[in-house]
Amino acid sequence: QQQVKQSPQSLIVQKGGISIINCAYENTAFDYFPWYQQFPGKGPALLIAIRPDVSEKKEGRFTISFNKSAKQFSLHIMDSQPGDSATYFCAAHTQGAQKLVFGQGTRLTINP
Amino acid sequence: KAGVTQTPRYLIKTRGQQVTLSCSPISGHRSVSWYQQTPGQGLQFLFEYFSETQRNKGNFPGRFSGRQFSNSRSEMNVSTLELGDSALYLCASSLWGTSGTNEQFFGPGTRLTVL
Repeated sequence: QQQVKQSPQSLIVQKGGISIINCAYENTAFDYFPWYQQFPGKGPALLIAIRPDVSEKKEGRFTISFNKSAKQFSLHIMDSQPGDSATYFCAAHTQGAQKLVFGQGTRLTINP
Repeated sequence: KAGVTQTPRYLIKTRGQQVTLSCSPISGHRSVSWYQQTPGQGLQFLFEYFSETQRNKGNFPGRFSGRQFSNSRSEMNVSTLELGDSALYLCASSLWGTSGTNEQFFGPGTRLTVL
């Protein structure tokens, strides 16, 4: 049973545009929601993360929006650049256990 | 500070063999988690170790096992390899259990190919 659903599977954005990736979860025991960026041949790199008591977190061009009642969260990449082209994963941390449940990933392509 | 290191980076094995993968966490991190990444199933949690004890285990068969040493380095072992075990195996380390943070930092992974 997939506990974190991520969409879209792939996304193409023009340089300078806004990239938006969405995730939804069901388990209310999740207590921490990170986003990871993965380039081909590399391991996932932690990008930004949020806790459910916060509705938005911004770090540079990256923003997480969190809607606890809807059990949804999203990643916004402002002023998208070709170097942002990668696969992005949302994840949810299981309360009381050091275990991440991942979404299926979004392959983002930024066209120059 | 050096990141998470994993060895070897690439492995080719045949069905029925066994394999051992190694992970060295970030200095000071005592929690080590392992994940399997495949195109079809995505990233799936295997198990997590803290202070040489397995604290959590994912939904994988008993052929997948691991251990952690006193210096926090960890190994995972897969016995009787099957074609479906071909995957990128990722190790992640964190301070969880010592400082309460949930941040996990991943290594580059070991690419295992089973022929």
